[in-house]
Amino acid sequence: DAGITQSPRYKITETGRQVTLMCHQTWSHSYMFWYRQDLGHGLRLIYYSAAADITDKGEVSDGYVVSRSKTENFPLTLESATRSQTSVYFCASVAPSGREMGDTQYFGPGTRLTVL
Amino acid sequence: GESVGLHLPTLSVQEGDNSIINCAYSNSASDYFIWYKQESGKGPQFIIDIRSNMDKRQGQRVTVLLNKTVKHLSLQIAATQPGDSAVYFCAENIPPGNTGKLIFGQGTTLQVKP
Repeated sequence: DAGITQSPRYKITETGRQVTLMCHQTWSHSYMFWYRQDLGHGLRLIYYSAAADITDKGEVSDGYVVSRSKTENFPLTLESATRSQTSVYFCASVAPSGREMGDTQYFGPGTRLTVL
Repeated sequence: GESVGLHLPTLSVQEGDNSIINCAYSNSASDYFIWYKQESGKGPQFIIDIRSNMDKRQGQRVTVLLNKTVKHLSLQIAATQPGDSAVYFCAENIPPGNTGKLIFGQGTTLQVKP
C-alpha cells in the first residue's frame, strides 16, 4: 500500500525558474490538496481539487499553478520561483467516506524547496 | 501542564504524565475538528477528530474535548511516552460542506522528558 507520495523530497532552485512538485496517491481519492508549511507556522492551503479537472484556489495561491488530468496525480508548479516560496510543501488527499464523522486527510511526506 | 496555542508553543512533560494541548479556533460555524501529530521530517498524521455536535471523544490514550461556547479545543494524552514527542496541530473545517478544506492552528511542540 504505497499511499501518497511526493517527489522530489528535496529541491534547490534559483529565483525565476519554473519548478514542478509531484504528488501521487494510490487510493483513487477524490479530493487532493497542496499546503505549504513555513518555519513556526501551521499549514496553509495553496490549492485543492475535488476531482480530476476540478481545481480551486486556497488561501495562498498566488504564484502557483495546479493541474489534475488524472485522479491519482496533482502536480504543483511554481511558474517563476521566488525566495518567499522557500518552504516545505505537503500534498494530501481525502475520500468522502459517508461517515458521520468527517473525512480524514492523509498527508504525503513533504517536499522541502529552497529558492536561492 | 497546559499549552495555549500561540502563547505557549512548547509543552514539556515528564514521561508517564498526562499532557494537555489547547487550541483556540477561529470560526463559530466550524463543524468538524481534527488533531494532527507531526514528527520531524514527516507529514502530519491524523490522531483524532470530533464533530461539533459532540463535547468529547476518546481514542487510544487520547481524548479530544470541544467547548463551543468559548471556541476551544483540547487534546489530552494519557501516560505520555517519548514517542509522543512531536508538533501537534488542531484544524477546523469551515462549512458549507465537508470539502476537506481545513484551517490549521500554529502548532504546539510537545517534548517528553524520560
